[in-house]
Amino acid sequence: SQKIEQNSEALNIQEGKTATLTCNYTNYSPAYLQWYRQDPGRGPVFLLLIRENEKEKRKERLKVTFDTTLKQSLFHITASQPADSATYLCAPTRSGYALNFGKGTSLLVTP
Amino acid sequence: DVKVTQSSRYLVKRTGEKVFLECVQDMDHENMFWYRQDPGLGLRLIYFSYDVKMKEKGDIPEGYSVSREKKERFSLILESASTNQTSMYLCASSSGGTGGTDTQYFGPGTRLTVL
Repeated sequence: SQKIEQNSEALNIQEGKTATLTCNYTNYSPAYLQWYRQDPGRGPVFLLLIRENEKEKRKERLKVTFDTTLKQSLFHITASQPADSATYLCAPTRSGYALNFGKGTSLLVTP
Repeated sequence: DVKVTQSSRYLVKRTGEKVFLECVQDMDHENMFWYRQDPGLGLRLIYFSYDVKMKEKGDIPEGYSVSREKKERFSLILESASTNQTSMYLCASSSGGTGGTDTQYFGPGTRLTVL
């Protein structure tokens, strides 16, 4: 069965550094991959989408890569700020109505 | 901006009660979804709907039913609430189509406690 893995351990980094979060998937080939941010007690918010034929996508301080050979996506936040502290969810998805979400990785950026 | 609202932020019910969770979106979206989110288990899809009166089971539909009588409104029903249904419930909507490019917009969530 398809499986999505995100690091369950929280990532702690210092303000100004680059945060890198990993999303691995197995047993299927998603055509798209979305990343969402979730703050405590709130619903997830869409950040970025990358297609299987795109290697990299950028939006302001965010960068996402999608390696279909490694079955992995990396999510980078450059020049991280305490306000970036949140849980980040990936959703590698084939076509269809529903997204498949990973369990998320918690990021804590300390001043 | 898309707005997805849920009827309650917090809800406390007793075992065996029938519980209704309401979700309304204001952007004429075709698709609507109900998830529950539990620590260590992530977001799990309960049901979704791609059109009025249409519904599809997600990964964990047992113990739940849904209703979509109007395009903007999607209701989740717990026929007989049980303690293992204590959870955060999240509603989402998306504009339509079957592609994984369809961004989902989430509501603020309802934290349901069943005593």
